[in-house]
Amino acid sequence: DAGVIQSPRHEVTEMGQEVTLRCKPISGHDYLFWYRQTMMRGLELLIYFNNNVPIDDSGMPEDRFSAKMPNASFSTLKIQPSEPRDSAVYFCASSLARSGASTDTQYFGPGTRLTVL
Amino acid sequence: GENVEQHPSTLSVQEGDSAVIKCTYSDSASNYFPWYKQELGKRPQLIIDIRSNVGEKKDQRIAVTLNKTAKHFSLHITETQPEDSAVYFCAAITGNNRLAFGKGNQVVVIP
Repeated sequence: DAGVIQSPRHEVTEMGQEVTLRCKPISGHDYLFWYRQTMMRGLELLIYFNNNVPIDDSGMPEDRFSAKMPNASFSTLKIQPSEPRDSAVYFCASSLARSGASTDTQYFGPGTRLTVL
Repeated sequence: GENVEQHPSTLSVQEGDSAVIKCTYSDSASNYFPWYKQELGKRPQLIIDIRSNVGEKKDQRIAVTLNKTAKHFSLHITETQPEDSAVYFCAAITGNNRLAFGKGNQVVVIP
């Protein structure tokens, strides 16, 4: 398995532009997570999905952020309009929930380094 | 919600010595505690985890101990090597299946 795949790996954009980050989870995983990492705030969970359904989006900073998971193998995180304070590394992770148990090991993608000028 | 704290924030050790990082958590219902290692510019990677039905788990030079009564768990690295230099994150599962991460510990192994 190729692991969690994210694209693009680097994104530089100007303030006000729309940014779309993409993620392909590990095949067969039930859960997909979007995280943001900055020096100041560490690793923050933005939103997570179970079987393509958003379960908890309480970490999404504001209405400029939205996430979708149209099928089991693809998810997007969109920022519109982007602002300089959105500059961070965005990680996608996936996990396989064992039957009757809570989420198991999360496997992280390589991340997207976003710079908003 | 769950609150996870790590101590110390930075740890420097001489190569060959042991390193210990401690995490505390607040939710007594948490039952899964992973440790992730993140090298500079790379993704966090799981190095070891423990569930609440055991008190200790070991994998070669790394081990994790869990004290559910005191609500803390620790990562132990023995015979440290330069490649152990990284940021280490602890986490705890919350009631709604989220992982709450600590802020991370920078471990520096001095050759």
